[in-house]
Amino acid sequence: AQSVTQPDIHITVSEGASLELRCNYSYGATPYLFWYVQSPGQGLQLLLKYFSGDTLVQGIKGFEAEFKRSQSSFNLRKPSVHWSDAAEYFCAVGRPFGGSYIPTFGRGTSLIVHP
Amino acid sequence: DAGVTQSPTHLIKTRGQQVTLRCSPKSGHDTVSWYQQALGQGPQFIFQYYEEEERQRGNFPDRFSGHQFPNYSSELNVNALLLGDSALYLCASSYSGEQFFGPGTRLTVL
Repeated sequence: AQSVTQPDIHITVSEGASLELRCNYSYGATPYLFWYVQSPGQGLQLLLKYFSGDTLVQGIKGFEAEFKRSQSSFNLRKPSVHWSDAAEYFCAVGRPFGGSYIPTFGRGTSLIVHP
Repeated sequence: DAGVTQSPTHLIKTRGQQVTLRCSPKSGHDTVSWYQQALGQGPQFIFQYYEEEERQRGNFPDRFSGHQFPNYSSELNVNALLLGDSALYLCASSYSGEQFFGPGTRLTVL
């Protein structure tokens, strides 16, 4: 069975500082990997995804993530955080199904941004 | 394009009651998935509907059922509500790929 671990429940950074959110997954085959962001009262928005190919993936809002198969990790990074990045971030591993996928989510990391 | 819409936004029910949540998919999308997100947790997959049939189901009891209509909209029904069913229920639609999520319905069971 697939699973995702996000070891940090909360992360606090200062505006302008760099950010790295950790994600480790367990999956028997080549995984589909995702990062989503959820702001209060909002649904999930896809930041980026990895299916295959280049292991460094660029996403929206200046985020990137790197797939490291040897470490079963897919950490999310941003070089300079903005106050508007404060939100809940979810890593997910997707099982391919019917031309789409069924994601299994981690419990999330809450990002707090200090001015 | 209105994106994925869900109704109602909030709902309060008592234990033992039944509830129906609704979802309208993004234009052009034919697949609808439902998720339950308990407080402080990530979303958990309930089931997925395609061509008006449930084609995949997560680890949820039969109290959770759904329906998809010819226009691809969908309903989630939960019978015999328990306190533990209190959560944010998310709907996501897709067409052969990325899932787009709605804002969710917040269900509170008292």
